[in-house]
Amino acid sequence: NAGVTQTPKFQVLKTGQSMTLQCAQDMNHNSMYWYRQDPGMGLRLIYYSASEGTTDKGEVPNGYNVSRLNKREFSLRLESAAPSQTSVYFCASATQGAGNYEQYFGPGTRLTVT
Amino acid sequence: AQTVTQSQPEMSVQEAETVTLSCTYDTSESNYYLFWYKQPPSRQMILVIRQEAYKQQNATENRFSVNFQKAAKSFSLKISDSQLGDTAMYFCAFMPYTGANSKLTFGKGITLSVRP
Repeated sequence: NAGVTQTPKFQVLKTGQSMTLQCAQDMNHNSMYWYRQDPGMGLRLIYYSASEGTTDKGEVPNGYNVSRLNKREFSLRLESAAPSQTSVYFCASATQGAGNYEQYFGPGTRLTVT
Repeated sequence: AQTVTQSQPEMSVQEAETVTLSCTYDTSESNYYLFWYKQPPSRQMILVIRQEAYKQQNATENRFSVNFQKAAKSFSLKISDSQLGDTAMYFCAFMPYTGANSKLTFGKGITLSVRP
């Protein structure tokens, strides 16, 4: 049981390059999330998917796109990277039962855009 | 919109002592959850404790307990018998319970250092 996995763990991009961050969970969760973490800002929600086939914007969606490929996988794409997107990115998935709600996080991807 | 405020950016505590981390939130929701997450230097986010708003009893998990004051919208975390492994960033988080569309709002975090 691997939980939530993310690839890659580290990435350096030049301004204008594109890339996709991959996320997969093996816990049969319906909901999945993408966050970014910046110093002094906590975690901010980029996009989320409440179920397979649906996605919605979070607090900071500009410059990103997502795909919920199937129940297990939720990818985040940067079409034209900018230095402001330098951050640590976390994927998470969640149980939905009342009384035991918990988000499980992947190990994070540190992205640097130069 | 909900907001979560952690006003102390850093705290330090001696090993074996007790420390309390503060968190306040603002919401008009009546049905919600509150969480404390720990992020050690490894960067992994780990759930420490969860409180459901409808429960009057404060949640406890081993050395970790909360003081949940619903009327004051306050949710502090108490760590007893602090250990070196408690050194980490701690995030308070709020979530209104709306079923499948439930989303967490995080505070900015507090860096806790445990001194030997």
